[in-house]
Amino acid sequence: DAGVTQSPTHLIKTRGQHVTLRCSPISGHKSVSWYQQVLGQGPQFIFQYYEKEERGRGNFPDRFSARQFPNYSSELNVNALLLGDSALYLCASSKDRGANTEAFFGQGTRLTVV
Amino acid sequence: AQTVTQSQPEMSVQEAETVTLSCTYDTSESDYYLFWYKQPPSRQMILVIRQEAYKQQNATENRFSVNFQKAAKSFSLKISDSQLGDAAMYFCAYTPSGTYKYIFGTGTRLKVLA
Repeated sequence: DAGVTQSPTHLIKTRGQHVTLRCSPISGHKSVSWYQQVLGQGPQFIFQYYEKEERGRGNFPDRFSARQFPNYSSELNVNALLLGDSALYLCASSKDRGANTEAFFGQGTRLTVV
Repeated sequence: AQTVTQSQPEMSVQEAETVTLSCTYDTSESDYYLFWYKQPPSRQMILVIRQEAYKQQNATENRFSVNFQKAAKSFSLKISDSQLGDAAMYFCAYTPSGTYKYIFGTGTRLKVLA
């Protein structure tokens, strides 16, 4: 089975632009979470989606939004990009929404804002 | 506030030796999960070991074991017989039971010396 896949792997955007990052969970997994990992830091929770509904949101501005599709894949959207949005964006999928199920991470999307 | 602290930014260990990575956390919850994740240069977060707070027995996975001290809110990782492939960033993470949000520490970079 394929693991969690994220696309693109790298991209460069200009300040003020918009970006869409994509995540395909492991087959059978209904929960997708997004994390931002700034260089030298641990990942920070952005969103969790379960059964196509937002189940949790971290401390991020409204410029960040996400959605989950009927096939459980997910998109993370960031508007009005700032230099500080440069980071590795990680997607994690799990069978269930709770902490008792293991989360599997993708390899991330490296976003550079110039 | 729930926080995870890793006080060792970097550690080194000789191949075949044992190393211990430290982690402390702060929470008022009584039921939660603790994790150690490994992030190699490939960027993908890989689960190393998981501990349920209600279990007194320390978790072990082959060469990896933890020392879980609930009263002290300490969760250290011991790697025995270190191998070159163990070189990576190691993140300690916490999540309350019934939730979905991992709280990560800032990580410890482990170098394995041949």
